[in-house]
Amino acid sequence: AQSVSQHNHHVILSEAASLELGCNYSYGGTVNLFWYVQYPGQHLQLLLKYFSGDPLVKGIKGFEAEFIKSKFSFNLRKPSVQWSDTAEYFCALSTTGGFKTIFGAGTRLFVKA
Amino acid sequence: DTAVSQTPKYLVTQMGNDKSIKCEQNLGHDTMYWYKQDSKKFLKIMFSYNNKELIINETVPNRFSPKSPDKAHLNLHINSLELGDSAVYFCASSGGSNQPQHFGDGTRLSIL
Repeated sequence: AQSVSQHNHHVILSEAASLELGCNYSYGGTVNLFWYVQYPGQHLQLLLKYFSGDPLVKGIKGFEAEFIKSKFSFNLRKPSVQWSDTAEYFCALSTTGGFKTIFGAGTRLFVKA
Repeated sequence: DTAVSQTPKYLVTQMGNDKSIKCEQNLGHDTMYWYKQDSKKFLKIMFSYNNKELIINETVPNRFSPKSPDKAHLNLHINSLELGDSAVYFCASSGGSNQPQHFGDGTRLSIL
């Protein structure tokens, strides 16, 4: 069965610090990977997605993620965070032909102004 | 234009009552979902419909019954509400099995 693990449950950073949120998945076949963000009191929004091709994916708001197949990882990065990046971040996986998206437990990011 | 809209946004009710949450999407998507997000923000899929047919039914008590009158709507009816049902329920839709999902604003259900 597929699974998604996010190692950091809570991350606190100061503005301008660099961010890396870990995401590992478990599945032996072809995967589609996503990062979603949920701002306080809001719904989930797509940050970026990886289907195939260049393993370095750029998303909105300066976020990027790198797919490393050998490590089953899809870590999210941002070189310089802002206070407005305070949110919950979810890594997710789906498989081709499957209708289920598996979400990680989420990482709560708090950015200090 | 709101892509995925769900009503109501807040629902406060007593244990034992029956309530419904409605969801509509105007994206032309074939697949719709219901998720439950608990107080720790953990997001768990409950149901998924593709072209009005139920394709995912996770271990959810049978007090929860989804209904999809057409591709654009997926409603959730809950019977005999219990304290543990308190959560935020999100509706979502996607254009295919491996496509990103578009989420509604959520319905915060509080059981007194």
